[in-house]
Amino acid sequence: DGGITQSPKYLFRKEGQNVTLSCEQNLNHDAMYWYRQDPGQGLRLIYYSQIVNDFQKGDIAEGYSVSREKKESFPLTVTSAQKNPTAFYLCASSIKTGGTGELFFGEGSRLTVL
Amino acid sequence: AQSVTQPDIHITVSEGASLELRCNYSYGATPYLFWYVQSPGQGLQLLLKYFSGDTLVQGIKGFEAEFKRSQSSFNLRKPSVHWSDAAEYFCAVGAGTGGGNKLTFGTGTQLKVEL
Repeated sequence: DGGITQSPKYLFRKEGQNVTLSCEQNLNHDAMYWYRQDPGQGLRLIYYSQIVNDFQKGDIAEGYSVSREKKESFPLTVTSAQKNPTAFYLCASSIKTGGTGELFFGEGSRLTVL
Repeated sequence: AQSVTQPDIHITVSEGASLELRCNYSYGATPYLFWYVQSPGQGLQLLLKYFSGDTLVQGIKGFEAEFKRSQSSFNLRKPSVHWSDAAEYFCAVGAGTGGGNKLTFGTGTQLKVEL
């Protein structure tokens, strides 16, 4: 089945540690996205990538980093510089051209800082 | 800049009653509009979308939404709610693939269904 796989589903981190969230898609989509979700704030865009080896900052990129070395993979690193990293993180993908901009989402990863 | 407002944070309806969730958007050009649903601890599933044509769009699970340009609204409706519809609902606006597919989401409406 085609889809987006995020791992791990739950992750605990001590303050000062970097963590990497995995996102893999087999939909053959060019574009991939990372959103952060906090209660009452909806989804906020962290980073997005429309093509391999290229990515852009979203609205809340500070304290995060990404890479896009392969079309199907878009890992997100939450660095120690992120002041409040406890949140639910959602990865999404879409076709790049010719569509309506619909995003397909993974099941999410919940990060808790202890 | 584009934005989305969902004025209702929580809504409670009885099973079998009708439902309307409100969504107002701000966007300079013709918007691409979406409604997504999220069950607890899960990802988002697309209910329906609008980008052109008939302003009344049908989606999955018996939902529909109507685009009203004059009111900058895209309200979600369902004639008869089922207990399984309890979830969080998000409205989103974007520019389509020409705009990089970046969607701006509202803050969500939490739906509770009373049996």
